[in-house]
Amino acid sequence: QLQLQESGPGLVKPSETLSLTCTVSGGSISSSNYYWGWIRQPPGKGLEWIGSIYYSGSTHYNPSLNSRVTISVDTSKNQFSLKLSSVTAADTAVYYCARYSSVPPSWFDPWGQGTLVTVSS
Amino acid sequence: SSELTQDPAVSVALGQTVRITCQGDSLNIYYASWYQQKPGQAPVLVIYGENNRPSGIPDRFSGSSSRNTASLTITGAQAEDEADYYCNSRDSSGNHNYVFGTGTKVTVL
Repeated sequence: QLQLQESGPGLVKPSETLSLTCTVSGGSISSSNYYWGWIRQPPGKGLEWIGSIYYSGSTHYNPSLNSRVTISVDTSKNQFSLKLSSVTAADTAVYYCARYSSVPPSWFDPWGQGTLVTVSS
Repeated sequence: SSELTQDPAVSVALGQTVRITCQGDSLNIYYASWYQQKPGQAPVLVIYGENNRPSGIPDRFSGSSSRNTASLTITGAQAEDEADYYCNSRDSSGNHNYVFGTGTKVTVL
């Protein structure tokens, strides 16, 4: 059974870079059928797609975050990572990683349990 | 970019039927997927594609679509169905972007 697990600091200072890693177990991140994505949810608010990566390294980012987001993949470790630069309090959220199919119709499944990142000095 | 609009909240009596809708231009092109989220938990996929349920999702959950509107129907709602529900689809702009709906809080009375 495929499982995803987010990890990284729970507290980041304003203007610094948020860094998270998603570790995939029970399957290979190098599958040609899937993309690997990041989604976030501010406290009490809805879900926002951040971006995604293919095992080859091809990426797609939410235009609203594009200038601050970098997603990378390490196939040797079966991991992919998120970096979000110049964070502010508005970036405080639960960050999820998830898999979705590379061909529409796409759906996000499974999801990691999520990790809360708070931006505060 | 596309937007997906949902009613903020709906309520349903125990055992009755409730329909949650999701509207957006991208739904003219792509099927929506639907996610259930309970407090403090990660979202869980409940419907994908035309009307498909992942293993373990009860058959009281079903999906449909018409033009720019996707619907999730819970037939015979149970207390454990009380949750937030989000739709999702690919962006209609032609870019490989995705958008989530605004979310609907379902209360089972």
